[in-house]
Amino acid sequence: DIQMTQSPSSLSASVGDRVTIICRASQSISSYLNWYQQKPGKAPKVLIYDASSLQSGVPSRFSGSGSGTDFTLTISSLQPEDFATYYCQQSYSAPPTFGGGTKVEIK
Amino acid sequence: QVQLQESGPGLVKPSQTLSLTCTVSGGSISSGDYYWSWIRQPPGKGLEWIGYIHYSGSTYYNPSLKSRVTISVDTSKNQFSLKLSSVTAADTAVFYCARGIAAAGTFRWLDPWGQGTLVTVSS
Repeated sequence: DIQMTQSPSSLSASVGDRVTIICRASQSISSYLNWYQQKPGKAPKVLIYDASSLQSGVPSRFSGSGSGTDFTLTISSLQPEDFATYYCQQSYSAPPTFGGGTKVEIK
Repeated sequence: QVQLQESGPGLVKPSQTLSLTCTVSGGSISSGDYYWSWIRQPPGKGLEWIGYIHYSGSTYYNPSLKSRVTISVDTSKNQFSLKLSSVTAADTAVFYCARGIAAAGTFRWLDPWGQGTLVTVSS
């Protein structure tokens, strides 16, 4: 299985901050990388698919980049509703695997 | 707008079989190139892929669970189901169903997800 490693596992930030989350794959996954947001008690929701494509309805302050083994999710200006846990997930090879998550907390 | 809803017992005894159903509304489960999926999340932990059934009927199961998992579809009811046998306390989790989106003939991402249902394994 392809291992997905996210860093940091948690971070504290203020409203308006620029936030970057890193996801690293144990082998090259081309651009087959998705990002999800999960709020407490809720199901995950896709934000970015295929590394950099913004899902319809997702605010443009979210962006994704990367290819191969290294990927980033960036929130350009953190909003109160963005405090959540973020997961990356690869779909390059089966089984699809998720990163361990990054919890974004209020500073 | 497609919506998914999980249903099934919230408590299962050790060694028994966990059975859940996902009802799809707002679209036909047999139309479109989709991978109808199950994912689980132990309390306070991360996400684990269980498996999926393609609209063609083909299935894929996570090798870590393959010996205990069956996913099936009932197109007449617009539902798909999960059975996980020989459960232990380690199988306690929130179980989600989701629609897998395909591109170029392969699974790519999950959207939308059901709200999730907590299943506790305990005697």
